[in-house]
Amino acid sequence: AQRVTQPEKLLSVFKGAPVELKCNYSYSGSPELFWYVQYSRQRLQLLLRHISRESIKGFTADLNKGETSFHLKKPFAQEEDSAMYYCALNNAGNMLTFGGGTRLMVKP
Amino acid sequence: EAGVAQSPRYKIIEKRQSVAFWCNPISGHATLYWYQQILGQGPKLLIQFQNNGVVDDSQLPKDRFSAERLKGVDSTLKIQPAKLEDSAVYLCASSLEAQTGGYTFGSGTRLTVV
Repeated sequence: AQRVTQPEKLLSVFKGAPVELKCNYSYSGSPELFWYVQYSRQRLQLLLRHISRESIKGFTADLNKGETSFHLKKPFAQEEDSAMYYCALNNAGNMLTFGGGTRLMVKP
Repeated sequence: EAGVAQSPRYKIIEKRQSVAFWCNPISGHATLYWYQQILGQGPKLLIQFQNNGVVDDSQLPKDRFSAERLKGVDSTLKIQPAKLEDSAVYLCASSLEAQTGGYTFGSGTRLTVV
């Protein structure tokens, strides 16, 4: 069975500090992993996917198959980064399994 | 392009009543999903449609939940009868058939069962 774990419910940092939101997964196949974000009063939206190896809004995430992790990182947090972040795993049937989410609060 | 439309935005019902939610996906998106998000948790998949056929409904509580997508476009999710633990946000999402993981979500329907 596939599972996604986000160990931190809440992460609070000051503006300009580095941010790392943790995500661990368990899956027997070849994983496809994603980060979704939900800003206040907005819809859940795709932030980035591991296959793209892209940086979106300064965020990056590297898939580490050895540690079964897909942590989301940003070197310098901004106040507008405050939101709920969900890590998600896509199975072969194109169905996403989401983690429990981490609320990021960036303080001024 | 227009986004995924859901209605109603909010619904309050008493336990044992029935309720229905509606979703209109992005035009051309063959795959449609219903997710349940309980407060403080991540979204949990209830059912996946490919056009008008069910791909996976293994996590749908079929004794009280039902869903249909008769013409392969819009979809309805029904709960009958509702229980207190059904209080949640019900999210609809759609994706292109070949687009793995890149879902577009609707705003959701917040259901409160009292």
